[in-house]
Amino acid sequence: KNQVEQSPQSLIILEGKNCTLQCNYTVSPFSNLRWYKQDTGRGPVSLTIMTFSENTKSNGRYTATLDADTKQSSLHITASQLSDSASYICVVSVNRDDKIIFGKGTRLHILP
Amino acid sequence: DSGVTQTPKHLITATGQRVTLRCSPRSGDLSVYWYQQSLDQGLQFLIQYYNGEERAKGNILERFSAQQFPDLHSELNLSSLELGDSALYFCASSVGTGHYGYTFGSGTRLTVV
Repeated sequence: KNQVEQSPQSLIILEGKNCTLQCNYTVSPFSNLRWYKQDTGRGPVSLTIMTFSENTKSNGRYTATLDADTKQSSLHITASQLSDSASYICVVSVNRDDKIIFGKGTRLHILP
Repeated sequence: DSGVTQTPKHLITATGQRVTLRCSPRSGDLSVYWYQQSLDQGLQFLIQYYNGEERAKGNILERFSAQQFPDLHSELNLSSLELGDSALYFCASSVGTGHYGYTFGSGTRLTVV
């Protein structure tokens, strides 16, 4: 069964600290993996997109990694800011994007 | 501004009623996708249209229907509304038929009372 599991479900850290969010998937055949940031009440915004051959991709203070062998991805946030408070959603595409599977997201709270 | 426009932003209606949500895709995008996000739940794919034709169906209830018009805007019709239909409804658009690299709108928050 195609599934995307994210952990932790929620995370609270202090402003300026780093954090890492995890995404494990059981999706086959794998096409690509994306991380989205969703502010409360807003639409998700794409952070990174990685295909099978890509191990890492950065977008400013956000760095995503992908291990296609273990079917794991992580999103590392460096020097967190209050504006990073949001839900982070991992999305995996199946079979040349005919189907996509959403994770339930990690809710990140940044405290001043 | 993502370029994907959804109206209305908020909608409050009673059980049993019918509502229509509207989505205008980004200029040049031919595909429109509809998603439902209930409170504290992940995004659920409902349906996709490409250039006016239904392309893929997800977990869409029979009480819900959608269409894409010649000008490429799309409408999601929700009927016989129940309390459990209260959710955020998002529209996304992309150039092609794949889900790769699509852009979300800011959503319509539907509250059924």
